[in-house]
Amino acid sequence: EPEVTQTPSHQVTQMGQEVILRCVPISNHLYFYWYRQILGQKVEFLVSFYNNEISEKSEIFDDQFSVERPDGSNFTLKIRSTKLEDSAMYFCASSGLAGGPTFSYEQYFGPGTRLTVT
Amino acid sequence: GNSVTQMEGPVTLSEEAFLTINCTYTATGYPSLFWYVQYPGEGLQLLLKATKADDKGSNKGFEATYRKETTSFHLEKGSVQVSDSAVYFCALKNTGNQFYFGTGTSLTVIP
Repeated sequence: EPEVTQTPSHQVTQMGQEVILRCVPISNHLYFYWYRQILGQKVEFLVSFYNNEISEKSEIFDDQFSVERPDGSNFTLKIRSTKLEDSAMYFCASSGLAGGPTFSYEQYFGPGTRLTVT
Repeated sequence: GNSVTQMEGPVTLSEEAFLTINCTYTATGYPSLFWYVQYPGEGLQLLLKATKADDKGSNKGFEATYRKETTSFHLEKGSVQVSDSAVYFCALKNTGNQFYFGTGTSLTVIP
């Protein structure tokens, strides 16, 4: 069964450093997402991406964050200058099969990348 | 706004016990409701969903009914197994594509 993959599984970085989290969504999906979960808190939406542009973003997704689909398979989240409070589990998701209904109901999630900022 | 409140965990049950994980939501309009499950080392997987009031979602012996009058979507299973040990997330989707999740409830089933 197709699945969303994420690398690395765990990333440790120093405060102020740039970090790139990588995701390979399910092929033929059209919508891509990033969520994060700070330990003990809710899973929070960051951003959705469709047709090579951001379609929605939350208040958390400020200028320090950016997303990119650099090729036909990868979807990346970049944090330019990490802060301690960026430490969290980051989940990538995809939905919306090409040629299917235009709405994007079921989101398929990756296993997450645990980001630790020291 | 949109939000989900989920029962605090962790929950520990003996095999074959009855499971209830409470979930209530706040939303305008008519959201769709979901339960996702995360097994150790894996991503969140859709367990079941309900798209309108009074709908019952079911899968793998789990059930949840969309109750608009109580704004709830409680997850139930009549007889849990060790293999059900996982983290369970309640979520809603309203207008737009983003999901709103609860904090997750960790379930451990002991033999």
